[in-house]
Amino acid sequence: DAKTTQPPSMDCAEGRAANLPCNHSTISGNEYVYWYRQIHSQGPQYIIHGLKNNETNEMASLIITEDRKSSTLILPHATLRDTAVYYCIVPASDWDTGNQFYFGTGTSLTVIP
Amino acid sequence: DAGVIQSPRHEVTEMGQEVTLRCKPISGHNSLFWYRQTMMRGLELLIYFNNNVPIDDSGMPEDRFSAKMPNASFSTLKIQPSEPRDSAVYFCASSLFVGGIPYEQYFGPGTRLTVT
Repeated sequence: DAKTTQPPSMDCAEGRAANLPCNHSTISGNEYVYWYRQIHSQGPQYIIHGLKNNETNEMASLIITEDRKSSTLILPHATLRDTAVYYCIVPASDWDTGNQFYFGTGTSLTVIP
Repeated sequence: DAGVIQSPRHEVTEMGQEVTLRCKPISGHNSLFWYRQTMMRGLELLIYFNNNVPIDDSGMPEDRFSAKMPNASFSTLKIQPSEPRDSAVYFCASSLFVGGIPYEQYFGPGTRLTVT
């Protein structure tokens, strides 16, 4: 599976957009990019995923570069409740056995009042 | 849907005792995953099942750990005997499995295990 690289920590002012980068330079053509977050003491929460096109849902937007070697998760108006560890994952996917999500260390986002 | 349900939410036990963690996946999901999270090692995949069949248990730390999935709506993770180093938060997650497509996993609230 493709490895991902994320900055260990970031700060963002409340109400501003939070832009979380992720590098996945070894991604292959059929591998998806997934984003999860984990708020302290809770289970990881699915945010969004994409293959080639940019994606948007009620939680966030995902921008994937044309060469697919990096992506950015955008929280358009960060709130204090968005303080969490954000994981960028390119899951290993096998037709026969399924998919495995390997969570690295992620980016610890702190939203500042 | 109630989401993934785990029980108990907290477990405190003495070294040497048997511990059983339980998980009910989301109805309709046919993949189930057990993870362990510690400060030192982060979130680790222990084992996962597709259609109730264990697919990869390479993450299970040692023979003291075992997992079963007797039917589509229930799984257990057992530690026997437990040791202090097993103290961690154990998460269960479920997803759809359709060949070749990595569907998103939904996590339960976790079981916080403390072995004294």
